[in-house]
Amino acid sequence: KAGVTQTPRYLIKTRGQQVTLSCSPISGHRSVSWYQQTPGQGLQFLFEYFSETQRNKGNFPGRFSGRQFSNSRSEMNVSTLELGDSALYLCASMSEGVFTEAFFGQGTRLTVV
Amino acid sequence: LAKTTQPISMDSYEGQEVNITCSHNNIATNDYITWYQQFPSQGPRFIIQGYKTKVTNEVASLFIPADRKSSTLSLPRVSLSDTAVYYCLVGDPNNAGNMLTFGGGTRLMVKP
Repeated sequence: KAGVTQTPRYLIKTRGQQVTLSCSPISGHRSVSWYQQTPGQGLQFLFEYFSETQRNKGNFPGRFSGRQFSNSRSEMNVSTLELGDSALYLCASMSEGVFTEAFFGQGTRLTVV
Repeated sequence: LAKTTQPISMDSYEGQEVNITCSHNNIATNDYITWYQQFPSQGPRFIIQGYKTKVTNEVASLFIPADRKSSTLSLPRVSLSDTAVYYCLVGDPNNAGNMLTFGGGTRLMVKP
């Protein structure tokens, strides 16, 4: 079955702009989460959506937001971009159950100039 | 979530067995131990998960002692393609959902 798909793969934006990233989870997975990865801070959890509701949220400013649609596809938005928002943004989908594994997409590389 | 401690980096040679140990002294009763592998500019990939004793799959083995305060990921006969960052995570999959807490990971370098 198809894996997690993130679009676009690469993005260059200017400070102050906003950006929307998209994630299509594995078919049947209702949980989608987003992570930011930077060389300095490593992999950090942004938020998780489950059945269109935000279930968990990390410690990021309100400029970072997300949503999930009825087909489980998710988008995250970053407004008023700052240079420090340059990062690899990863999306992961997860099935339910005791032994769970998160399936990650290849990420979107965002560069803010 | 229990904090994890693992070596920052390790070096090995092709064909050797590599053991990466992770300390998690504050692991809770319902917590599972999960390892992920990440190559540069890619998302992490699930390797193995366990609760206690030993778990083995086609890729690796996971050894967990009785007190569960540490765990060891064992990679048999590594190859150059095993060069990656390996993350140890501890958490309750039923409560944490898809909220994974990654530490710094261990950067494994496999040399020819």
